Amino acid sequence: VVVTQSPLTLPVTLGQPASISCRSGQSLVSGDGNTYLNWYHQRPGQSPRRLIFKVSNRDSGVPDRFSGSGSGTDFTLEISRVEAEDVGVYYCMQGTHWPPITFGQGTRLEIK
Amino acid sequence: EVQLVESGGGLVQPGGSLRLSCAASEFAFSVYAMNWVRQAPGKGLEWVSYISYSSTSVHYADSVRGRFTISRDNAKNSLYLQMNSLRDEDTAVYYCARDADGHLDHWGQGTLVTVS
Repeated sequence: VVVTQSPLTLPVTLGQPASISCRSGQSLVSGDGNTYLNWYHQRPGQSPRRLIFKVSNRDSGVPDRFSGSGSGTDFTLEISRVEAEDVGVYYCMQGTHWPPITFGQGTRLEIK
Repeated sequence: EVQLVESGGGLVQPGGSLRLSCAASEFAFSVYAMNWVRQAPGKGLEWVSYISYSSTSVHYADSVRGRFTISRDNAKNSLYLQMNSLRDEDTAVYYCARDADGHLDHWGQGTLVTVS
């Protein structure tokens, strides 16, 4: 299943909101009723860190300025107020129709 | 805190072999499925392989099937990836990642494999 992110680059002013879209080629609703769509953040030189799992569940320690939403084939990661530490690349990942697990191309967030 | 530490990367010639290891700690390794994910230089993330907690179920990406073998030793809290017939396009940082709560919840720091 192909997942497509947009935009690929996202310039944002500190303190302003940001939004990243992820669309899949088919519905990500699983037979068990869950939707396996995750979001990851990768800072330069670091390994990815999961932020959101199953569409809207924040991982432990993730600031509440990060939120995930969506259903079916359309999903969104929102940052309510961007901070300097939020720079890096964001990836969505689908784990419903696997193998293989597939990732979006990545969205690079940069500070204006 | 979950700890995953990869090792075994390095420089290898095309057609060569390499075995990666991932040492797990601070969680009950034997009850979790595990994965390998790779990232070519300057590129995005590519899932490589999965192994269930008991090793009864394994899966591979098409790009590595028949060349890579995933395995684990629960007594040693370790995950492995045997890579044979390596190609230039296998050059990447390889991460091990735990499979929980909808896949890939914790990742290691990665180990670089260079095929040249």
